[in-house]
Amino acid sequence: ETGVTQTPRHLVMGMTNKKSLKCEQHLGHNAMYWYKQSAKKPLELMFVYNFKEQTENNSVPSRFSPECPNSSHLFLHLHTLQPEDSALYLCASSQEGQMETQYFGPGTRLLVL
Amino acid sequence: AQKITQTQPGMFVQEKEAVTLDCTYDTSDPSYGLFWYKQPSSGEMIFLIYQGSYDQQNATEGRYSLNFQKARKSANLVISASQLGDSAMYFCAMREGNYGQNFVFGPGTRLSVLP
Repeated sequence: ETGVTQTPRHLVMGMTNKKSLKCEQHLGHNAMYWYKQSAKKPLELMFVYNFKEQTENNSVPSRFSPECPNSSHLFLHLHTLQPEDSALYLCASSQEGQMETQYFGPGTRLLVL
Repeated sequence: AQKITQTQPGMFVQEKEAVTLDCTYDTSDPSYGLFWYKQPSSGEMIFLIYQGSYDQQNATEGRYSLNFQKARKSANLVISASQLGDSAMYFCAMREGNYGQNFVFGPGTRLSVLP
């Protein structure tokens, strides 16, 4: 595997379900990110992890719970979601220094019924 | 106020011709970086090109070049010799400060390359 991978690629869940999104980076980076991309809205940064420590949480509802067990893996745990949470969830990683580029995974398309 | 503006929701270009996608930005930080990403219908965001605020020359990467006009706060992407595979959404993004991790993305431009 190379780059940034995300599983599953597609997910349909009911509002009472609990599911998790997984992201893995094979680039040796030390920072990882979750973004949400809704239809007709710019990308929204949700969470930032540096060296496994959460450094940003942009007012994300508690029904989204991130977990970063090590610098290569990032999870987004989902519970009691709402239909408006349906979106493309993108994971990214970077090697933090000056102006480092973020590299993205293919995303998980989530549909909440 | 929006930090990244992309005024072209959609653009069409004939195959093999060049196209310019506009991006203007707003920041008071003297140190920042500007990025362009391509997002095909499959969803993944593909990094194309980067321009630092202190870079003296415009960035180029193969068929992509960035027309950086600092005084006008614009960072337009130029794609030369368009190909059908260039049809996608294109996002301009900015990162402020030397170590800021927050990327701010523009709303995107949908480029369609016509055969």
